[in-house]
Amino acid sequence: QSVLTQPPSVSGAPGQRVSISCTGSRSNIGAGYGVHWYQQVPGTAPKLLIYGNSNRPSGVPDRFSGSKSGTSASLAISGLQAEDEADYYCQSYDSSQSVVFGGGTKLTV
Amino acid sequence: EVQLVESGGGLVKPGGSLRLSCADSGFTFSAFSMNWVRQAPGKGLEWVSSISSDSDFIYYADSVKGRFTISRDNAKNSLYLQMNSLRAEDTAVYYCAKDLLHGGDYWGQGTLVTVSS
Repeated sequence: QSVLTQPPSVSGAPGQRVSISCTGSRSNIGAGYGVHWYQQVPGTAPKLLIYGNSNRPSGVPDRFSGSKSGTSASLAISGLQAEDEADYYCQSYDSSQSVVFGGGTKLTV
Repeated sequence: EVQLVESGGGLVKPGGSLRLSCADSGFTFSAFSMNWVRQAPGKGLEWVSSISSDSDFIYYADSVKGRFTISRDNAKNSLYLQMNSLRAEDTAVYYCAKDLLHGGDYWGQGTLVTVSS
């Protein structure tokens, strides 16, 4: 049981827009801690996509965007491409002094 | 170029010990907190432990507290994870990650730890 809740799977056709939700609580996302998003292609290490709720590291396409409201956050991917097919994880920090992850969402394009 | 390279994984019997290492380059290692994150086969990411830049602050997940010890050697640009009293449920790929706002902006390729008799 993950501390942050994500849908197990989402899907979309090439060119479409999808979003992935991440629901936490008042002790993590709702406490003001930033939310980060990672993309993981099976068999490889996670890659940082979004940090601090809505910031993109250098090299991440602007098709990826993040937002946060209250105790939830969301990752949006527009202009879906076949290469976006991967697992996506949200992550934050909890007042219990622990790093917390979502259970992951499998994106099918 | 930032590089993190884990080593030390392998097959170990339940109750045994392993020491993982993470050799880092391409950034000022001594200025950043570091993290260990693991991923059991077919499962999601699980945070294991974090250590501050000067080792003053160390945190563990409840699942490993009392059994695992994180440490670092800033002179050698290296991060370590001593794992004792290993259990089958500790079987996972272990990643080291450079900290960014309690997350990880750079990750190693991972090292597989298998606990089995």
